[in-house]
Amino acid sequence: AQKVTQAQTEISVVEKEDVTLDCVYETRDTTYYLFWYKQPPSGELVFLIRRNSFDEQNEISGRYSWNFQKSTSSFNFTITASQVVDSAVYFCALSELNTGNQFYFGTGTSLTVIP
Amino acid sequence: NAGVTQTPKFQVLKTGQSMTLQCAQDMNHEYMSWYRQDPGMGLRLIHYSVGAGITDQGEVPNGYNVSRSTTEDFPLRLLSAAPSQTSVYFCASRTDPTGGFWPLHFGNGTRLTVT
Repeated sequence: AQKVTQAQTEISVVEKEDVTLDCVYETRDTTYYLFWYKQPPSGELVFLIRRNSFDEQNEISGRYSWNFQKSTSSFNFTITASQVVDSAVYFCALSELNTGNQFYFGTGTSLTVIP
Repeated sequence: NAGVTQTPKFQVLKTGQSMTLQCAQDMNHEYMSWYRQDPGMGLRLIHYSVGAGITDQGEVPNGYNVSRSTTEDFPLRLLSAAPSQTSVYFCASRTDPTGGFWPLHFGNGTRLTVT
């Protein structure tokens, strides 16, 4: 079974619109970690944020915000006032303590911001 | 600080040929790993290592070999290339092999085509 599900394969928004990327995870561990990575058209993978299972506090960093909800096993990512530079593939990932902390990646969401 | 360096960036092989993808990191990370990225599949773990002399299989290890003789280097060998191994390969490292909270640092990838 897929441990990390990103149901949105592709999203297109017009510049300055807000957009939310969904991530749903599955784990039986009580200790786990969640991550978001960005892959711009140039191809490199850039780490954006991490969260541990004990910290449900939402986080805001500039135009980016993350909503972690254990009750729904979700770790969603919102970009406010999107810009063309936000166009990229975004990956959500899970690391579980009891599986040796291997990373499980979702299949990614391709975001296109139209100017 | 170079981080994680992968070579080559591009490679074309004929079916049956062998080659080694190189990966080196200068961050003194104990944990290193190889992923392949295919359209619609996200990133899948091939092999990983938690320290020099220690390697283990990931989700898709068949057709690949690894070794870890030093902390810095973690080469990936394709013994007899097949078209199914056409993919983008990423090497990644992490500071603590057991600490799942630490993010992976990725190289810039190697695009491999097998004809």
